[in-house]
Amino acid sequence: GAGVSQSPSNKVTEKGKDVELRCDPISGHTALYWYRQRLGQGLEFLIYFQGNSAPDKSGLPSDRFSAERTGESVSTLTIQRTQQEDSAVYLCASSLAGTGLAKNIQYFGAGTRLSVL
Amino acid sequence: LAKTTQPISMDSYEGQEVNITCSHNNIATNDYITWYQQFPSQGPRFIIQGYKTKVTNEVASLFIPADRKSSTLSLPRVSLSDTAVYYCLVADQTGANNLFFGTGTRLTVIP
Repeated sequence: GAGVSQSPSNKVTEKGKDVELRCDPISGHTALYWYRQRLGQGLEFLIYFQGNSAPDKSGLPSDRFSAERTGESVSTLTIQRTQQEDSAVYLCASSLAGTGLAKNIQYFGAGTRLSVL
Repeated sequence: LAKTTQPISMDSYEGQEVNITCSHNNIATNDYITWYQQFPSQGPRFIIQGYKTKVTNEVASLFIPADRKSSTLSLPRVSLSDTAVYYCLVADQTGANNLFFGTGTRLTVIP
């Protein structure tokens, strides 16, 4: 089966523009995560979705960042009025967390590299 | 939220065994320990997971002492292709606190 798919793979935008990043999780995975990774740095948690529960938004750095998920499928991360400091790779992962079917292992996409000029 | 501490970087020669230790002093009873590997321009990928004692798979071994406050990832006979960043993560099975990856350990394998 297909892995986690993210699009676009690269995005170049101008400061002040809005961007949307898409994540298609592995089918059947109830949990979905977004992370940000700046050049040479570790992963910074942004937001977590689990089934129909309210998402954990505690990692979103500002109100310019938001994310949605339709059921247990596609998720979109939106960054409004982008700033140069938003330049990073945005990684999405999905897992079977909370299903009791398997130990919680995250499967990652290749990421979207965002460059804000 | 169980946070982790790892060495920032390590160097090793090809063919040697490499051990990377992760500290997680406030690990909870329901937490598992999971290690991921990340190559440049890729997302992290799962290596190994354990709860206590020792776990071994085709890629690595994971050693966890009785108090579970640390864990050691062991890579046998590393090759150049093992050069990557290795992350230790502690979390329970609900996924709700599966969120802190830290900065990881950058392993460089030298010819």
